[in-house]
Amino acid sequence: GAVVSQHPSWVICKSGTSVKIECRSLDFQATTMFWYRQFPKQSLMLMATSNEGSKATYEQGVEKDKFLINHASLTLSTLTVTSAHPEDSSFYICSASSKSNQPQHFGDGTRLSIL
Amino acid sequence: DQQVKQNSPSLSVQEGRISILNCDYTNSMFDYFLWYKKYPAEGPTFLISISSIKDKNEDGRFTVFLNKSAKHLSLHIVPSQPGDSAVYFCAASAWGSSGGSNYKLTFGKGTLLTVNP
Repeated sequence: GAVVSQHPSWVICKSGTSVKIECRSLDFQATTMFWYRQFPKQSLMLMATSNEGSKATYEQGVEKDKFLINHASLTLSTLTVTSAHPEDSSFYICSASSKSNQPQHFGDGTRLSIL
Repeated sequence: DQQVKQNSPSLSVQEGRISILNCDYTNSMFDYFLWYKKYPAEGPTFLISISSIKDKNEDGRFTVFLNKSAKHLSLHIVPSQPGDSAVYFCAASAWGSSGGSNYKLTFGKGTLLTVNP
């Protein structure tokens, strides 16, 4: 149980392109979804927290106009990197939780490379 | 400022022996701690957790110890198996301290465990 699917797993695109990443909870309802970013040899850094039906809460230093998060249902959240540039190249990973006191379950991540 | 620190980037142990992975934290508001295991090309998988009201939690071969006064926790794996080879992340949350409203996880950088046959 507690499976989280993230798609796509790998994206290479040109600078200026917008990229959408999907995160789905397959066998549970995720009241809260989280988006993380991990640069090489660094820890997972939380970018934003989203609750179904409400606006995402962004961490300090994360541009909300650049990283658009939509959590329209209890099983789907999307992260759109708008007008991506090479410095946005990173590993993006989502997680989901059914209740506030339950562990987060992670997707397999998306490797984003901007040329 | 790294609030959760895993000072050993890697650890190598022999199959059957004990693996001890360490984690230190600086934020005294953290009251819930988790260990995740990550294989290459996969997302982290939840392994075991511990609340600050306990000092030990055991699940099969995995035991987590928490020393609040030292702000230190450790994960013990015994006996270690080759399939345990993975990156282990320590994570912390201030869930209870926030009245149950903040379950944001702060992660360490991870420790690569290699269990040799």
